[in-house]
Amino acid sequence: DTEVTQTPKHLVMGMTNKKSLKCEQHMGHRAMYWYKQKAKKPPELMFVYSYEKLSINESVPSRFSPECPNSSLLNLHLHALQPEDSALYLCASSHQTLRGGPNSPLHFGNGTRLTVT
Amino acid sequence: AQTVTQSQPEMSVQEAETVTLSCTYDTSESDYYLFWYKQPPSRQMILVIRQEAYKQQNATENRFSVNFQKAAKSFSLKISDSQLGDAAMYFCAYRRGSGGGADGLTFGKGTHLIIQP
Repeated sequence: DTEVTQTPKHLVMGMTNKKSLKCEQHMGHRAMYWYKQKAKKPPELMFVYSYEKLSINESVPSRFSPECPNSSLLNLHLHALQPEDSALYLCASSHQTLRGGPNSPLHFGNGTRLTVT
Repeated sequence: AQTVTQSQPEMSVQEAETVTLSCTYDTSESDYYLFWYKQPPSRQMILVIRQEAYKQQNATENRFSVNFQKAAKSFSLKISDSQLGDAAMYFCAYRRGSGGGADGLTFGKGTHLIIQP
C-alpha cells in the first residue's frame, strides 16, 4: 500500500476540458512534488511545494496549474491540454527542514495515467 | 547542473543469481544523496536503497547493496539472489543536500531488469 494517494488512477480528457489531479499524504511531509513521466522515460520534475509555497517551477506551461491548499494536499489543475501532455503524472512527498539538514527520500504515489484526446 | 547516467538500458539475470546495475553521476556539489528506485509495471516508484555522500560505508538493504565510489562518481547497485519480484525498471537518482530537502530528484534514464526463471 502506498502512503501517497493519487486520484484518479486514469483520466481521459479532451483538449477543451478542465480537470484536476489530486494527491494526498498524511506522513507530515512538508515538501510535495509533481512529476511527469512519459513511457519508458524517467520522471521529469514539474513543481515543488515547500511548506505550502511553490518553490520550484521547471518552466512548465501555464496550462498546468498546481495548488497546495494545505500540508496534506496537492492538486494539479489541467486546462486546454495537448495530446503530447498524455503521460503518467506522479505525486511525491518528503520531509524537509527549513535550514537544510538530513535529507529524506521521496515517497511516490501510484500516479494518474492521463490521456488527452 | 547535475547529470545521472545509466549506461545499461536492459539487463537480464537468472533467478537466484547476482546482477549489478551501473550508475555514474556528475556534480560539483560536495553534499548530496544518491538513491536507487524501482518501478514495476504497477507504476509506483519504490525506494530500494539510499546513500549519503558523506558516508564512506556502502549502504545495504537485505539483498540489495551499493558500491559507492565517490572519487569516480560511481554508484552501482548489486542485487543478490535475484527473485522474480525484482523485475522492474530501476532508476538511479541524485539529490543535492544543501537545499533543505525540497529540490526534487534528478533521475537517470533507467535500466530494465529482466529476471529469467
